[in-house]
This record gives sequence, C-alpha cells and structure tokens, in this order.
Amino acid sequence: KAGVTQTPRYLIKTRGQQVTLSCSPISGHRSVSWYQQTPGQGLQFLFEYFSETQRNKGNFPGRFSGRQFSNSRSEMNVSTLELGDSALYLCASSLFAGSDTGELFFGEGSRLTVL
Amino acid sequence: AQSVAQPEDQVNVAEGNPLTVKCTYSVSGNPYLFWYVQYPNRGLQFLLKYITGDNLVKGSYGFEAEFNKSQTSFHLKKPSALVSDSALYFCAVTRVGGFQKLVFGTGTRLLVSP
Repeated sequence: KAGVTQTPRYLIKTRGQQVTLSCSPISGHRSVSWYQQTPGQGLQFLFEYFSETQRNKGNFPGRFSGRQFSNSRSEMNVSTLELGDSALYLCASSLFAGSDTGELFFGEGSRLTVL
Repeated sequence: AQSVAQPEDQVNVAEGNPLTVKCTYSVSGNPYLFWYVQYPNRGLQFLLKYITGDNLVKGSYGFEAEFNKSQTSFHLKKPSALVSDSALYFCAVTRVGGFQKLVFGTGTRLLVSP
C-alpha cells in the first residue's frame, strides 16, 4: 500500500513568489492535515481537510491556503512568500478526521527555501 | 486550547540504559495523547497513543508511555535504549470530540551513544 506522497520534495523560491505543494494521501484516507516544521517553532498546524471541507485551521495568515479534491488529494498554496516561510511542510492523512484516532500517516515533506 | 510542553531539547543516554522523554500537556476535557518519532529527512511515524483505559500504553519498537492525569504528563519510556533509537521525538495532544486539531510539542532529540 503506497504511503503519503508529497511533491515536490525540495524547492527554492524568492520573496514575493507563490508556491503550491501537493499531497496524495493513502488510498481510502479521507482526512488530510498540513503542518509547518521549523527548528525554532517545531510543528505548527496549518489546516485539516475532510471530505473536501476545511474542518480546522491554525493561526497562520491568509497567505496560506489549501484545498482538497474529490479524490482526497490536497494542495496548499502560499502566496507572497516571505523569508520566514522557509520550512519543511508536512502532510498527513488518516482514515477519519485526524483527531478522532490520532494516528496520522505523514509524508516525507516538501522542503521550501525562500531566498 | 490544548498545548504540549517537552521540557528537554535533548536527552542523552548510553545504549542499554533506560530512557525517558518527558511530556506534559494542557487540555480542557479528556485528552488523546500521542508520541511520534522523526528520523532525519523523513516524516513523522506514529509510536503509540493513549485514548482511555490502562495508564501504561505499549507501542512500537519497545516503547511505552505512562499517562498520569494528576500530573498531566505522558512520558515516553524504554527499558533498554538502542543506538538506532536516536531520533527526534514529538508528543502531541488533542481533545476528545470531533475535528479537534492535533497539537505537537517542540520535540526532544534523543541521542543514544554506543
């Protein structure tokens, strides 16, 4: 069974640009969550989608957005990139809403560097 | 709102010795508690969880964790550490009830020396 797939794995952008990251969950999983990981802040929750609806949102500015498609694949977008957006962005999927079981299956992440 | 504290940035232990990685939490209502591990350049892997029942929870790779409601703690333990246990460990908490976000601690780096 294939795991959670995130693309691209690495990318470099410059300030002011935008970026779109993609996440394909494990087959059959309906919930996708996104996290930002930085050395100083640890793992910060961005948002969770379940059956194409955003169920929960973290404390990030409106530049961070996401969506989920009918096949449960998810994308997140960051517009007007800032240096502080450099981070590892992790996607996690679960069969049900993530918090109900807690057992999230993580992808290997997309490492974004903003210059 | 729920929160997690991992008071140690790094824990050093010799191979074969017992290890403990500390975690305390804050949540209104009943908690769900979890431990995840992250190896270099990889995503997080689920280790174990506490939902209800026995306070001692056993998980993958010989790890266990003890839920202590009065101390609001959920420390991760292993009787005998291996060099291969060296990794970054995250404690996480959420509140019972649908669609509550899972909140992670800042992580503790475990270094097991030969």
